[in-house]
Amino acid sequence: GAVVSQHPSWVICKSGTSVKIECRSLDFQATTMFWYRQFPKQSLMLMATSNEGSKATYEQGVEKDKFLINHASLTLSTLTVTSAHPEDSSFYICSARVAGLDTGELFFGEGSRLTVL
Amino acid sequence: AQSVTQPDIHITVSEGASLELRCNYSYGATPYLFWYVQSPGQGLQLLLKYFSGDTLVQGIKGFEAEFKRSQSSFNLRKPSVHWSDAAEYFCAVGAPLGGSYIPTFGRGTSLIVHP
Repeated sequence: GAVVSQHPSWVICKSGTSVKIECRSLDFQATTMFWYRQFPKQSLMLMATSNEGSKATYEQGVEKDKFLINHASLTLSTLTVTSAHPEDSSFYICSARVAGLDTGELFFGEGSRLTVL
Repeated sequence: AQSVTQPDIHITVSEGASLELRCNYSYGATPYLFWYVQSPGQGLQLLLKYFSGDTLVQGIKGFEAEFKRSQSSFNLRKPSVHWSDAAEYFCAVGAPLGGSYIPTFGRGTSLIVHP
């Protein structure tokens, strides 16, 4: 199946710094990628839909200036948590849909665990 | 908007026993339905999906799910659970929209397997 890779898997940063998380589709092109946030023992909360070459669509309640999403190519989307604070600590997961072939399946990255001190 | 309910937060079964994880959805028509599995600290892996047709869907790792329109349910089953099945299971629904969809996930059910 299609492979989605996230980097880094783990990141620890100081409060006030910015952190970038990358999501790559390794063997397919993805016009659409999704960014989720998952709190411990809870479901995935959709943060935003990232479309290649256009602005991301954010879900209600998600601060777009706080969580910057860039989808500059068909294989890469990035999430930047700006001026991170401890409450931003979470597990962030991206997923992607194969361009031009909507079988309905989403392919998920391994997730990135962010800890803000 | 669609929604999905997984009423069981935790399910504990003995290895070798049968398993059923419940999922109910709310949507005005027939949505796309999915079950995903997540191991600790990992992303999600698709177990199976239902779009249309046969209401009994076979997936990977010996799992199956049955779509019951009258009950708005899509329960996941496995006849004999293995210790390696211990994980978090998520049901998801997606409202078809122009050939695409955005899924909504349930809160998940944690499966605990006793030896």
